Formats: sequence, C-alpha cells, structure tokens
Amino acid sequence: GQQVMQIPQYQHVQEGEDFTTYCNSSTTLSNIQWYKQRPGGHPVFLIQLVKSGEVKKQKRLTFQFGEAKKNSSLHITATQTTDVGTYFCAGRVTGGGNKLTFGTGTQLKVEL
Amino acid sequence: NAGVTQTPKFQVLKTGQSMTLQCAQDMNHEYMSWYRQDPGMGLRLIHYSVGAGITDQGEVPNGYNVSRSTTEDFPLRLLSAAPSQTSVYFCASSYGREGYGYTFGSGTRLTVV
Repeated sequence: GQQVMQIPQYQHVQEGEDFTTYCNSSTTLSNIQWYKQRPGGHPVFLIQLVKSGEVKKQKRLTFQFGEAKKNSSLHITATQTTDVGTYFCAGRVTGGGNKLTFGTGTQLKVEL
Repeated sequence: NAGVTQTPKFQVLKTGQSMTLQCAQDMNHEYMSWYRQDPGMGLRLIHYSVGAGITDQGEVPNGYNVSRSTTEDFPLRLLSAAPSQTSVYFCASSYGREGYGYTFGSGTRLTVV
C-alpha cells in the first residue's frame, strides 16, 4: 500500500532559526496537503499543492511539490514559538480514488 | 459555530464492549473520514465516505464499522473493543473539490482496558 514518510521525526530549534520537513511518497500523488497540529489539538489544514514543481508561500512558510510529484517540503523561515506543533503532509495517490494518506509527521519544538 | 462535532471527548471501555463514536458536520461537506492517531504513527485512515450511502475502507478498518445515512452524520462503531484500539480518533470532512482541505473535529480519546 501507499506509504508517506516524513523526516525528521523531531526537530528542536532556537527561535529565529529556519526549519524544514520533508515528505516522501512511495507512489505518485495527484496532490499533497499540509496540516499543522498544535499540542493537544487537532490537525488544521494549511495548504494544498497540485502541480508538479509548484511552490506556494504563506508568510514565513514555503511549500514545495516535487517535479515527480512524489515528494514535498515545508520550510519555515525564522521560527517563532507560535510555530510549535506537529506538521503533517497528506497525499492522494494518482488514480487511487479519494483516500487521503497522512505522513508520519514532524514534531517541531522552538526554544527561546 | 460551523464545524465538525465529535462526541464523546473521552471514553473508557472494557475489553469486549461496543460503542459508537459520533461525528456530525454542518458545512454540507460530501467527504467524511475517520482517522486514528497513535504516537509515532501519524494519522491512519479507518473508513471514509464520499457521500450519503457510500463508504469505503481505509488502511486500518478491522474492528470498526461505519454508515453514512445522511450528509451530516458519520458514526464510527467499535464492535468489540480491544486494548489495541486505545487511541485518539479524529473525524474530518471536506468538500469533494480541488483546493479544499479537511476540517477536523476535536477528537475522541479512547482507552480500552
């Protein structure tokens, strides 16, 4: 079955440092979504990427979809304590119907 | 407020008991899904639905049943609870169109003893 892996599993940064999480799928994806889950909370939708090589920005967050549509990344510039949480990618397999498979997540901790 | 409502928020079951986790959304979303979240394993899809009367299995469907008789409701039934079903369960819904992500409920924390 489809597997979506994320690395790293954990990341500890000082406030102001950059952060990147990588998402890799074993199969080609029709689109990829990113979610953020605060500690004790529920996942919240951030963005969706659809096109090969697509790059989207939301303030300090940059999302990228790979050319082969099998990988994606989320980069946060100058992290803040409000960025703390777990970031998940989630993808739909091309031709795989409507199943949305989540990655394993990257837990980000930000120290002052 | 519009959104996805899950009940109960917490539940303790004994092994072998059955129960239903409730999920309701008032956004007229076609898609609804159930996920379970376990430490280090992300969110795993249990069952999903693309509209009233239509359901399908996800990655980990064993031990769970669903039905979708209305657009709004998507209950998850545990048939005979096992300790391995101890987890946090999230219900989520979405429009079935490009660009729309899932809206998640606040979750049900289930412990099976």
